[in-house]
Formats: sequence, C-alpha cells, structure tokens
Amino acid sequence: ELKVEQNPLFLSMQEGKNYTIYCNYSTTSDRLYWYRQDPGKSLESLFVLLSNGAVKQEGRLMASLDTKARLSTLHITAAVHDLSATYFCAPNTDKLIFGTGTRLQVFP
Amino acid sequence: DAGVIQSPRHEVTEMGQEVTLRCKPISGHNSLFWYRQTMMRGLELLIYFNNNVPIDDSGMPEDRFSAKMPNASFSTLKIQPSEPRDSAVYFCASSWHSGGPGDEQFFGPGTRLTVL
Repeated sequence: ELKVEQNPLFLSMQEGKNYTIYCNYSTTSDRLYWYRQDPGKSLESLFVLLSNGAVKQEGRLMASLDTKARLSTLHITAAVHDLSATYFCAPNTDKLIFGTGTRLQVFP
Repeated sequence: DAGVIQSPRHEVTEMGQEVTLRCKPISGHNSLFWYRQTMMRGLELLIYFNNNVPIDDSGMPEDRFSAKMPNASFSTLKIQPSEPRDSAVYFCASSWHSGGPGDEQFFGPGTRLTVL
C-alpha cells in the first residue's frame, strides 16, 4: 500500500523567507499532485507533476518531482501571508493517496 | 462551470439517526470519490466510483456506511445509524478518468457533519 509522508507537519515562517516542504512516498508512482486547503475550505489543485524531473512554478511556489527517490518538494520563495494554508501532496497508483498535509503559517 | 456540488453544507444530528450526504459531480466526469477529513486521521478515501460502479470501497469504515451512484450526475453517502465518532468533514470529488493512473480530482465544498 502506498504510504505518503510530508514534513514538516507544521511550518511557521516569517514573510520574505524561503522554505521547502518535502513529500516522500513508498512505492512507484509516476504522477503527483499538490493541493492547497485554506482553513474551513475545500481542496484546490495547485500542480500536477507528470514525470521524473518535472518542475512547475506558480508565483512564489515551485514544485518538483524525483520519481527515483520517490520524493517531491514544494519550495516557497519570499513567503507572504496569503500563502498561509495547508498543503497536501498526492502521488497516485490507481488512485490518489493524500499525504498528512503541511500546515503553513506565514507571519509578518 | 458549477463545480462539484454537495449538500447539505452543514448537518447536525443526534446519535442513532440516519444521515444522507449528497453529491453532484462535474458534468462529463466519470469518476467520483468520497473522502472524510478529521484532525486525527487526516484525509481518508472512503470509496470511489468509475462510470457509476463502485471500484474500491476498502476505506468505508464499517457497515453503517453505504454509498450509491444511481447515475452519472448524483451520488449519496449514507450513515445509518450515526455515531459521534462519525463527526467530520465529508468531501466529494470528481475527475475524468482517462484510463491512466490517478487523474486530477476536483473537490466539492464539503459537508461538515456533527453527530451529538
């Protein structure tokens, strides 16, 4: 069974700083999604990474995928308060398996 | 595009009562997923359907839970009888399954269930 671990589980960071969220998964997967969830809201798809070495960027967020290492990263550049949310990675087998989530809090 | 529609948005009920949650997937999508989210257990996949057929119900916690998809535009998740530990946010999601692995899922707004 595919297991997904994210770290850190909770991240409190100052505006303007950089940080990386890690997503490790246990079995082969060639597609991975990152989702965002605002407090009390639903999940919204951010990125889909389709192959080894894939990199996607949207604003201050950049996601990458290493299928050989079974690792995806979500890098935050110069964080702003609007990025405060919970971020989930979800690699697939025949279905998406969601990680534990990383709750990001950005403060002034 | 209306997105995935769920009803009710909030449900408060007493232990032992039957609860029915409803979902309308995005038009044209052929896969539908029911999830449960709690602080303790995170986001759990309960069941998913492809072309109205249940494919994997291994996440359904027990016999008190049942799900149906009578047609491509409607699904229900029923809990009978409900218990306080069923309190959670229940999400429905849909996707277009092209035959390949793991397609992007679009989530509904969720139903917040409280069982007293």
